[in-house]
Amino acid sequence: EAGVAQSPRYKIIEKRQSVAFWCNPISGHATLYWYQQILGQGPKLLIQFQNNGVVDDSQLPKDRFSAERLKGVDSTLKIQPAKLEDSAVYLCASNSGGRRDNEQFFGPGTRLTVL
Amino acid sequence: AQSVAQPEDQVNVAEGNPLTVKCTYSVSGNPYLFWYVQYPNRGLQFLLKYITGDNLVKGSYGFEAEFNKSQTSFHLKKPSALVSDSALYFCAVRDKGYQKVTFGIGTKLQVIP
Repeated sequence: EAGVAQSPRYKIIEKRQSVAFWCNPISGHATLYWYQQILGQGPKLLIQFQNNGVVDDSQLPKDRFSAERLKGVDSTLKIQPAKLEDSAVYLCASNSGGRRDNEQFFGPGTRLTVL
Repeated sequence: AQSVAQPEDQVNVAEGNPLTVKCTYSVSGNPYLFWYVQYPNRGLQFLLKYITGDNLVKGSYGFEAEFNKSQTSFHLKKPSALVSDSALYFCAVRDKGYQKVTFGIGTKLQVIP
């Protein structure tokens, strides 16, 4: 079974530029998560999708971050414009979503450096 | 609101010795509890979870965790540490009535040969 795919793995941009990350979850997984992991901290949920609908985006900085999952499969996370404090690893995860006790499967992450 | 505390930034243990990585939680109801491991430049990998039933949960790579409701703890344990266990370990909690999973800040485990 293929795992969660993310691209790119690394990205370096200057502040005020835009950047986009892509995630393809495990086939059949209805729930998709985007997390931000700042160095020395645990993952912080940015947005959670159930199929193509948003379940929780309470911690998404909506003035600069946006995410979509148009067909209920892969997803993109965009930052526009980026700030220095956005430097972090962005993790995508998925699970089947049918039960709240299901564990999440994580991709390798995208390491973003904002200069 | 739910929260997780991992009181130790780093745990050092000699190879072959037992290890414990501590986790305490706070939820309003009954919790689902998880442990994940993160190796360098890789995403998190699921180790084990507590849902209900037996307080001692066994997981991948010989790890186990003990749920203690009175102490609101879910400590990760392994009887004999391996050098390859060196990694970053995250505890996570989800209130059964809540959608979001909350992660701790992580504990770095260093197993010394």
